[in-house]
Amino acid sequence: KQEVTQIPAALSVPEGENLVLNCSFTDSAIYNLQWFRQDPGKGLTSLLLIQSSQREQTSGRLNASLDKSSGRSTLYIAASQPGDSATYLCAVIGNTNAGKSTFGDGTTLTVKP
Amino acid sequence: EAQVTQNPRYLITVTGKKLTVTCSQNMNHEYMSWYRQDPGLGLRQIYYSMNVEVTDKGDVPEGYKVSRKEKRNFPLILESPSPNQTSLYFCASWIRQGPLNEQFFGPGTRLTVL
Repeated sequence: KQEVTQIPAALSVPEGENLVLNCSFTDSAIYNLQWFRQDPGKGLTSLLLIQSSQREQTSGRLNASLDKSSGRSTLYIAASQPGDSATYLCAVIGNTNAGKSTFGDGTTLTVKP
Repeated sequence: EAQVTQNPRYLITVTGKKLTVTCSQNMNHEYMSWYRQDPGLGLRQIYYSMNVEVTDKGDVPEGYKVSRKEKRNFPLILESPSPNQTSLYFCASWIRQGPLNEQFFGPGTRLTVL
């Protein structure tokens, strides 16, 4: 059974700092990995999608990497801003079971002005 | 506009009163799924569907039913809701082939069972 872990559970940084969020998964047979942002009480906003054959994806100040062999993905946020404060979730979809999707519990980020 | 819609957005009900939460997508996606989100537990998959008339259990299927009679719709049915099903529910859809195989999520349904 796939398990997805996100460390740390919470992170507080001053504005302007670069930071890395971690996502680990136990079964490397994944089809893709997706990073989401969720504001309190709100829905999910897709940030980046990485296919299993890719190593990284970039969008603006965000960069996500994928290392399937070690079962890890990182989300790098450059020059953090207070508006980046939210919970960040990663999700993997399995390769063998196409409908199975597993989420991590998320990292809650606070960027202080 | 490509989207996943859910209705209702908010629902307060009582124990044992059957209810249905609807989910519809307009992207012709084969895959659809229901999740529930509880504080500190992330999103957990309830059921998923790989196409019309093809469904399977996720991690927390107990107390829920689904059906997929049409490609665009995937309703979640609670035959006899209980207070432990109070949660925030999300529906999602995606395709398997091609580069745009990301999950698209609905806005969520906040359910309270008294």
